[in-house]
Amino acid sequence: AQTVTQSQPEMSVQEAETVTLSCTYDTSESDYYLFWYKQPPSRQMILVIRQEAYKQQNATENRFSVNFQKAAKSFSLKISDSQLGDAAMYFCAYRSAANSGGSNYKLTFGKGTLLTVNP
Amino acid sequence: EAQVTQNPRYLITVTGKKLTVTCSQNMNHEYMSWYRQDPGLGLRQIYYSMNVEVTDKGDVPEGYKVSRKEKRNFPLILESPSPNQTSLYFCASRPGLGRSTNEKLFFGSGTQLSVL
Repeated sequence: AQTVTQSQPEMSVQEAETVTLSCTYDTSESDYYLFWYKQPPSRQMILVIRQEAYKQQNATENRFSVNFQKAAKSFSLKISDSQLGDAAMYFCAYRSAANSGGSNYKLTFGKGTLLTVNP
Repeated sequence: EAQVTQNPRYLITVTGKKLTVTCSQNMNHEYMSWYRQDPGLGLRQIYYSMNVEVTDKGDVPEGYKVSRKEKRNFPLILESPSPNQTSLYFCASRPGLGRSTNEKLFFGSGTQLSVL
């Protein structure tokens, strides 16, 4: 079974600075997806960024980028120019890319990292 | 607007009183799923459905039931709720089989359940 580990329960960053959230995962599969979700106080689950394991290039979405290290099974999220609206719980998640049944559509989540942005 | 709608957003109930949390999506998605979120545990899958009348257990199915009589609806049923089912619940949906060019799970806005 796959596992996702977020070792930082809480992080803080100054507004306009850069912060990196860590995520490691364990899998025996070679093809999979990785995601970062943001959950603000509204509780809404917002997809921030996704990475396909077969793509070597790191995904980027505006101020958000990832450092995907497949061999090390690491998938960190970098937030540049942090804004007050970035304050939220961030979840790292894994999904198998196998098409062998509905169980492979399951997202396996880490425990989350609570990010505080200080003005 | 494409969305997953859950109701209610908040629910307080007592032990043993049957309840249903509704979930509906307007995107004609085949796949629907329920997750629960608990502090320090992240989100865990309860049940999922690949299509009408096709449902299966996730990682934490005990104490829950689901049904999929229509494609758009996937209600979560707690026949006899207990305090350990106090949690934040999310319904989610996505298109069916195959690698999607838009690999994304659409989440509802969550239901905070408290069982006293």
